[in-house]
Amino acid sequence: DTGVSQNPRHKITKRGQNVTFRCDPISEHNRLYWYRQTLGQGPEFLTYFQNEAQLEKSRLLSDRFSAERPKGSFSTLEIQRTEQGDSAMYLCASSLGSRTDTQYFGPGTRLTVL
Amino acid sequence: GEDVEQSLFLSVREGDSSVINCTYTDSSSTYLYWYKQEPGAGLQLLTYIFSNMDMKQDQRLTVLLNKKDKHLSLRIADTQTGDSAIYFCANPGGTSYGKLTFGQGTILTVHP
Repeated sequence: DTGVSQNPRHKITKRGQNVTFRCDPISEHNRLYWYRQTLGQGPEFLTYFQNEAQLEKSRLLSDRFSAERPKGSFSTLEIQRTEQGDSAMYLCASSLGSRTDTQYFGPGTRLTVL
Repeated sequence: GEDVEQSLFLSVREGDSSVINCTYTDSSSTYLYWYKQEPGAGLQLLTYIFSNMDMKQDQRLTVLLNKKDKHLSLRIADTQTGDSAIYFCANPGGTSYGKLTFGQGTILTVHP
């Protein structure tokens, strides 16, 4: 079963450092999403890719955040100059773009900024 | 923007039924979803319902949709301790690409 995978699973960093997360979607899925989940809250949408094109970015995605999906396969999410408020679980999801457009989520990357 | 609300906590005894409720504001979505999250894990899709249906049954799960009241519920029959988790309803609203808006999540605790 090749579901959505994310690496690393956990990341601890010091404030001001840059971090990068990777997401590998289900292989035939052309849609890829990033969400952020803070403690006690539901996930919040960050950005969406259709193949390699980034088609929407949430206002939550400040200019310190950048996401890419080269060649429409895996995706990376980079946070520059991390702040303590960036501490959260970063979730990646993918979908086929079918009628139900069901999104399948990865296990997430938990970021702790000290 | 879209708003999705859920009650925060539900506690039941093993073997009882659990009912988790959700209200939403954007009724333009074609489907509505229920996800389950266990501690430290990602989200697992439980079930979904097409917006022109009133009810969907899937083994121990029953989803009820009241479009007039914009109310969605998830009933888990014969609740087991393994069902203890956080349950989220999610609404893609009218977006063409399914951007999900989640509720805050309902923490279900099942007592033996």
